Amino acid sequence: DAGVIQSPRHEVTEMGQEVTLRCKPISGHNSLFWYRQTMMRGLELLIYFNNNVPIDDSGMPEDRFSAKMPNASFSTLKIQPSEPRDSAVYFCASSLRGGTGNQPQHFGDGTRLSIL
Amino acid sequence: GQQLNQSPQSMFIQEGEDVSMNCTSSSIFNTWLWYKQDPGEGPVLLIALYKAGELTSNGRLTAQFGITRKDSFLNISASIPSDVGIYFCAGLNNNDMRFGAGTRLTVKP
Repeated sequence: DAGVIQSPRHEVTEMGQEVTLRCKPISGHNSLFWYRQTMMRGLELLIYFNNNVPIDDSGMPEDRFSAKMPNASFSTLKIQPSEPRDSAVYFCASSLRGGTGNQPQHFGDGTRLSIL
Repeated sequence: GQQLNQSPQSMFIQEGEDVSMNCTSSSIFNTWLWYKQDPGEGPVLLIALYKAGELTSNGRLTAQFGITRKDSFLNISASIPSDVGIYFCAGLNNNDMRFGAGTRLTVKP
């Protein structure tokens, strides 16, 4: 079975440019999460969706960050305009939200973003 | 952000040795998870624990969900070189998952 698929795997761009990261969750999963990982701060939750609806975006650092989930099989995380401090590895994860809600999240391989 | 205290931060061991790492929290979690992350990849789920006191094994890995629901440990027996990586604990309540800072494991052949 295909896992969580993220693209691109690597992105290098100049500051001020718009960056769009993409994620395809595991088929049948109804919760999707965006994380950012840095050496200093570890894994940080940015936003998550249940059934395509954003539930908690309190981790989104600034208005420059936005995320959408137009359907159950696709999500984007956009940074506009990008800044050097946005450089990090961005992970998408998905899970099946069952009755208890406590289902493990499965991660993609991430997008390594470098803003010059 | 991180609310879990994971220790040790790093370990250097000889192949064949056993490894133990743990995670504590000031908050109660309904589920404890252990992930492993290899360079350039995302975290991969190793073990999920759903009940306080639960002891679960996955091959050479054994993990326990603490009785107080505020801690968990992971043991790796008879380590091998491919065990190298960063191990993360995670506590989960509904969709709110918090991570430890990770334990970086190095195994010397």
